[in-house]
Amino acid sequence: DVVMTQSPLSLPVTLGQPASISCRSSQGLVYDDGNTYLNWFQQRPGQSPRRLIYKVSNRDSGVPDRFSGSGSGTDFTLKISRVEAEDVGVYYCMQGTHWPRTFGQGTKVEIK
Amino acid sequence: QVQLQESGPGLVKPSETLSLTCTVSGGSISGYYWKWVRLPAGKGLEWIGRIHSSGSTNYNPSLKSRLTLSVDTSKNQLSLKLDSVTAADTAVYYCARGEHTMDVWGQGTTVTVSS
Repeated sequence: DVVMTQSPLSLPVTLGQPASISCRSSQGLVYDDGNTYLNWFQQRPGQSPRRLIYKVSNRDSGVPDRFSGSGSGTDFTLKISRVEAEDVGVYYCMQGTHWPRTFGQGTKVEIK
Repeated sequence: QVQLQESGPGLVKPSETLSLTCTVSGGSISGYYWKWVRLPAGKGLEWIGRIHSSGSTNYNPSLKSRLTLSVDTSKNQLSLKLDSVTAADTAVYYCARGEHTMDVWGQGTTVTVSS
């Protein structure tokens, strides 16, 4: 299985400050069709997961533009330019290229 | 817009079969891939498996021997059956839509395995 390794696992941030989460895969994530299927999901407390980013850097409709995704190969990053209170939750990366699909361990974002 | 709703018994005894249903509303189940994912307490998300509306499936190898996914296009429903459950299967179970991703998620249903 492809191992997805996130860091840090806990991220205390100050409101209005930037935050960054790293996700590294044990294999490259380029699929046969040339796309890189790396997704980011946010799970707020008591809610189901919500997709933020797909194919590395494509932001979903309704996702604030303070969220951005980047990366290539085996190294990917989710950035929040200015953290707001509603961003508290757990963030997961997930690869959709190889079987079985696999998630990172999750990064818990909290406000200092 | 498409909405997903999981349903099933909240409590299952060890060694029995866990059965869940996911009802798709606001859109058709046909032509899409559908996934099941679970979140054990205190742990991270685990991909269970996926099924296409045609019935083709892919299972997580760690669950494959106990897992059956099916689809009923006439009812716009997905089903999950997991045999011989143990406490390790206690989790919130989600259904979601997508092939290489999951763009729509259900609210999740909590399943506890206990005697």
